[in-house]
Formats: sequence, C-alpha cells, structure tokens
Amino acid sequence: NAGVTQTPKFQVLKTGQSMTLQCAQDMNHEYMSWYRQDPGMGLRLIHYSVGAGITDQGEVPNGYNVSRSTTEDFPLRLLSAAPSQTSVYFCASSQDRGTYEQYFGPGTRLTVT
Amino acid sequence: TQLLEQSPQFLSIQEGENLTVYCNSSSVFSSLQWYRQEPGEGPVLLVTVVTGGEVKKLKRLTFQFGDARKDSSLHITAAQPGDTGLYLCAGEQAAGNKLTFGGGTRVLVKP
Repeated sequence: NAGVTQTPKFQVLKTGQSMTLQCAQDMNHEYMSWYRQDPGMGLRLIHYSVGAGITDQGEVPNGYNVSRSTTEDFPLRLLSAAPSQTSVYFCASSQDRGTYEQYFGPGTRLTVT
Repeated sequence: TQLLEQSPQFLSIQEGENLTVYCNSSSVFSSLQWYRQEPGEGPVLLVTVVTGGEVKKLKRLTFQFGDARKDSSLHITAAQPGDTGLYLCAGEQAAGNKLTFGGGTRVLVKP
C-alpha cells in the first residue's frame, strides 16, 4: 500500500494563477481532509469529506474548492492564488469518522509570489 | 487565540533528560490525539486518549488526559536524539468530524 500520496511536492505560483493539489489514498478510507500548516499555527482544517460525493467546510475554507467523485481521490483547487495561501498543505485520510487515526500524506509546499 | 494551546513552543534538552509538553484548552474534548512530525513529512499518530484521567504509556512516552478532559500532557523519560521533532496535540469536540490542532511544540534532543 502506498498510503496517502500527494502531488506535486513543491509548487510556485504567481498571484492570480490557479492550480489543483492532488491527493489519493489506497486504504479505502471514507474520511479525507485537507489541512494547511503555517509556522506556530499547527494544522488548520480547510475542507473535509466523509465519503464520495460529500464535502464540507473546515476552519479556513475561503479561496479553496474541493470535490470527491471517488473514494480514492480528493483534489484541492486554488482558483486564484494569493500570497496568503503560501503554506504547506497536507492531505489526510482515516477509516471512518474524522477522529480515528489520521494518515497524512507527505505534504505540498506552495509558494505564491 | 487557538482553541488548543501548547507549551512550550520550543524545547531544547540534552540526551538523557526528561521533558514534558502541555496541551491546554478551556473547552472539553471527547478525545485527544498526539502526533509527531519530522521535517518534510506528515504527522504520525502516537496515541489517542478518550477517558478523563486516562494515562497511556508508549515505551518512554507517557500521555495523560486531564480529569475534566480539557488538557493533556506528554512526558518523555530519558530523551534520545530520535525523539527530536514537532509534537502536535489534536482534539475532537463532541461527536464531530473535525480535529482541532494545537500550535505544536518543537523538541530538540542534543546528543
């Protein structure tokens, strides 16, 4: 099992550009989520999904869109990147409810200039 | 102000010393998790505590959940350089689908 995979590993965007961060898991987990990590802030929840076709907002959803068409994939879209979105992004999955053990991907380091 | 406050933010100790990391809140949590994160990687779960007053041990690591389920601590005995990393606590409020993370404590154990 590959676990949770994320691509790309690094990305530099200019203000106003759009991009999609990819996340996939091969553990057949129902619950998937996206976090951003900034220095001293821990991880903040952006969006999450409790199953295919179901998504909901987390703590900091503005500027991000998600969709969940399959159990395996949960992409995060930035429609118009802003410097405030410079961060490290982590995708996570868990077996059922969000509070079961979260398996994290290796992260995507995004810089918006 | 974060819902979960971790202290200290940074801790530097010598190999063999003991250390304690705290995770505090004014809110009640139905469960609390501790993760360790190494540079360039995602966090990895160490333990989940669910009962007030619960104590769990993982080799040299001891985790405690406060009686009121508002706080938790992580104690490391005889720290080793391999314990170096960012320690994160994360709590669940009621029967929700969201975890709230603390700001993290960066631990450096020098040989």
